[in-house]
Amino acid sequence: EAQVTQNPRYLITVTGKKLTVTCSQNMNHEYMSWYRQDPGLGLRQIYYSMNVEVTDKGDVPEGYKVSRKEKRNFPLILESPSPNQTSLYFCASSLFRATTYEQYFGPGTRLTVT
Amino acid sequence: KQEVTQIPAALSVPEGENLVLNCSFTDSAIYNLQWFRQDPGKGLTSLLLIQSSQREQTSGRLNASLDKSSGRSTLYIAASQPGDSATYLCAAPSGSARQLTFGSGTQLTVLP
Repeated sequence: EAQVTQNPRYLITVTGKKLTVTCSQNMNHEYMSWYRQDPGLGLRQIYYSMNVEVTDKGDVPEGYKVSRKEKRNFPLILESPSPNQTSLYFCASSLFRATTYEQYFGPGTRLTVT
Repeated sequence: KQEVTQIPAALSVPEGENLVLNCSFTDSAIYNLQWFRQDPGKGLTSLLLIQSSQREQTSGRLNASLDKSSGRSTLYIAASQPGDSATYLCAAPSGSARQLTFGSGTQLTVLP
């Protein structure tokens, strides 16, 4: 089954404790991205990757890191999480750039930073 | 910078009604627009990707139109059902064409 998977689905952590949210797709997609969704602010893009070893900042990259060492994986790293990073996070992928091709979304990761 | 607006923010209709969801965007230099559905606690599901050259795209009871000149897109849902209850989001490409900008969504409730 074609899908985008994220782990963990739910995470509660404390300020400053480094964490990684994994994202994996099995569709051989080149384009992958991370979004956060907040009430009243909608979906905002954090980072995106056009291909392996190619990543770019989205609209809200501060406090986040990403890497794309393999085509299928695109982990999101929070080196020192803060409460304002409490949010619902989505990973997405598409065949090529998201503006041209249908995007597939993961189920989401709900992160709470206390 | 692309801005996408969806009105209304919430809509409640009785089962069986036909309805229209609206999406407007500021940068009309786009070549497509996407509509998504989001169920509570779940990710987004792509409904329709409409190319500017197509002007309309249909999938089952859904029909999306795109009018670049006016900066508007509409999603028409025919014969609504309770299972259509969800949040519907539209997304338009940004100026760089590498990113999508999402609207805040319309939360639809179809009452049995």
